[in-house]
Amino acid sequence: SQTIHQWPATLVQPVGSPLSLECTVEGTSNPNLYWYRQAAGRGLQLLFYSVGIGQISSEVPQNLSASRPQDRQFILSSKKLLLSDSGFYLCAWDRDRGRIDYTFGSGTRLTVV
Amino acid sequence: QKEVEQDPGPLSVPEGAIVSLNCTYSNSAFQYFMWYRQYSRKGPELLMYTYSSGNKEDGRFTAQVDKSSKYISLFIRDSQPSDSATYLCAMSFTSGTYKYIFGTGTRLKVLA
Repeated sequence: SQTIHQWPATLVQPVGSPLSLECTVEGTSNPNLYWYRQAAGRGLQLLFYSVGIGQISSEVPQNLSASRPQDRQFILSSKKLLLSDSGFYLCAWDRDRGRIDYTFGSGTRLTVV
Repeated sequence: QKEVEQDPGPLSVPEGAIVSLNCTYSNSAFQYFMWYRQYSRKGPELLMYTYSSGNKEDGRFTAQVDKSSKYISLFIRDSQPSDSATYLCAMSFTSGTYKYIFGTGTRLKVLA
């Protein structure tokens, strides 16, 4: 069976510090991978998606970047965090474009202080 | 105007009640309508989805889509305390799109 791992679960970082969040998927190959941010009262916002190694599409201009160094690994990064980067970050994957089968990770709660 | 509107709640009901959760949307091109359940500090999980208009039933859950009114609903029968969670609606134009548009979620509390 397929599983998605996301870590860390919680993170408190000072303004101006770097960020690296990691997501890995097991039990499948060539998944589509997604990073979402969930802020209070604003719903889920798609940040990046990737259909393959090294292929990243950005949905929203921002202080963040994403990379996919391996087939089942997706990394969300920032060089300098802003207060507005606080939120709940979720990684998700799906495989077949013809199906509705998003699976989300358990999320990372990021607080920038 | 937001593409998808959802009342944030919280909605509190007694155990055993019928719960109605709703979303409205503005883009008539949406074809797929999803409902996700999210427990506190967890990622959302897909409950069910419907294509175009009509109803779909799965156990105690029924999803309804009214495209003429741009209105979707999720009904929960015989609600249980374990149903207490945030429910998010989501929509997409096709099954092949990478972009789902999510509502902000409705917090539901089922009181024992």
